[in-house]
Amino acid sequence: DAKTTQPPSMDCAEGRAANLPCNHSTISGNEYVYWYRQIHSQGPQYIIHGLKNNETNEMASLIITEDRKSSTLILPHATLRDTAVYYCIAAALFNSGGSNYKLTFGKGTLLTVNP
Amino acid sequence: DTEVTQTPKHLVMGMTNKKSLKCEQHMGHRAMYWYKQKAKKPPELMFVYSYEKLSINESVPSRFSPECPNSSLLNLHLHALQPEDSALYLCASSQGQGRRYSNQPQHFGDGTRLSIL
Repeated sequence: DAKTTQPPSMDCAEGRAANLPCNHSTISGNEYVYWYRQIHSQGPQYIIHGLKNNETNEMASLIITEDRKSSTLILPHATLRDTAVYYCIAAALFNSGGSNYKLTFGKGTLLTVNP
Repeated sequence: DTEVTQTPKHLVMGMTNKKSLKCEQHMGHRAMYWYKQKAKKPPELMFVYSYEKLSINESVPSRFSPECPNSSLLNLHLHALQPEDSALYLCASSQGQGRRYSNQPQHFGDGTRLSIL
């Protein structure tokens, strides 16, 4: 699996956009970039994923650089409920035969949204 | 609310007890997962089931015994656990395993918080 690097913590003002960076310089061509978040005492929540193109859904936008070595998760209008640990994961095929894939979580970024 | 339901939410057990954690999903997913999460650490994969068959065991000690009775249910049987096994145990499911499913997300339950006395 490609290793991802994220800042350990970030702060954001309520109502402003939160931009969370992720570095995945060793990502391979068949690995998707997934973003999950985990609010205290809950399970990880899927946010968004992408391969090459930028993606947007009702929760967030994902911007992937052209060389795919880094990406940014954007929460357009952060609220207090967005305070969580955000995980960026490069999901790899488990073996060359493609029979399995798994998510390997890194340490993530603790995003604190302040009033 | 999540679409993956885990019971119980909390469990306290002694080192000689036998207990089971349960996980259920009704999304028609054919892959199910167990993760372990220690305090202030990221989740770590334990087991993967694909079409009710165990496909990945991440070198988990035999005191943890998974079972997949059908495509909607996943159990984790616990026996003779150690205090260091205290953690949040997370279940997840996805549409399937394999290359065609590598762009399908895993959906997590809220976990069972296990404490070993």
